[in-house]
Amino acid sequence: DTGVSQDPRHKITKRGQNVTFRCDPISEHNRLYWYRQTLGQGPEFLTYFQNEAQLEKSRLLSDRFSAERPKGSFSTLEIQRTEQGDSAMYLCASSAGDRGNQPQHFGDGTRLSIL
Amino acid sequence: GNSVTQMEGPVTLSEEAFLTINCTYTATGYPSLFWYVQYPGEGLQLLLKATKADDKGSNKGFEATYRKETTSFHLEKGSVQVSDSAVYFCALSDRGTGGFKTIFGAGTRLFVKA
Repeated sequence: DTGVSQDPRHKITKRGQNVTFRCDPISEHNRLYWYRQTLGQGPEFLTYFQNEAQLEKSRLLSDRFSAERPKGSFSTLEIQRTEQGDSAMYLCASSAGDRGNQPQHFGDGTRLSIL
Repeated sequence: GNSVTQMEGPVTLSEEAFLTINCTYTATGYPSLFWYVQYPGEGLQLLLKATKADDKGSNKGFEATYRKETTSFHLEKGSVQVSDSAVYFCALSDRGTGGFKTIFGAGTRLFVKA
């Protein structure tokens, strides 16, 4: 169990640029989640995959955000035309099973700063 | 929609004091409930969970009971240690339109003084 890995750890970019983050879940986990966390707040759900299928997506997620998990293993989260409000920590988590009672294992996150 | 409300922090206690962090929730279904903890400089990790009414989750001296009648999942520990200083998040997982969705509370920061 090597844990959930996220890359990069930090990303600094100018407003209007596109950014892409990668998440490698624990290898035997079929579920993968993306969250956004700002200072003093809990993680805010963005989207989740079961294997390669994206099953749930937050209504708060604008069209500038897209996520993929093409082979049911690693996942990418892309933000197009970044805005100041996108500055946050982006967390990835994974879990096993097909029910909602399994705990999630979190990565250390990617911190995004928009200049 | 579903939501989780935690007591605001920070909570400051002396070592060996009793801890309670309140958590209440609203949910349309029958959610599973979790407490996650984030120690300084580390990622979120599961502390304990309960999957149905009246279940008690426990770990590292912490306990929480799933109370459906009061929609609560309060975290308790009888004697805190300095090493318990961290941010604690209450969370629920419930089925959405396509699959399961997890909602977190805002977190409660705990400081324990020696």
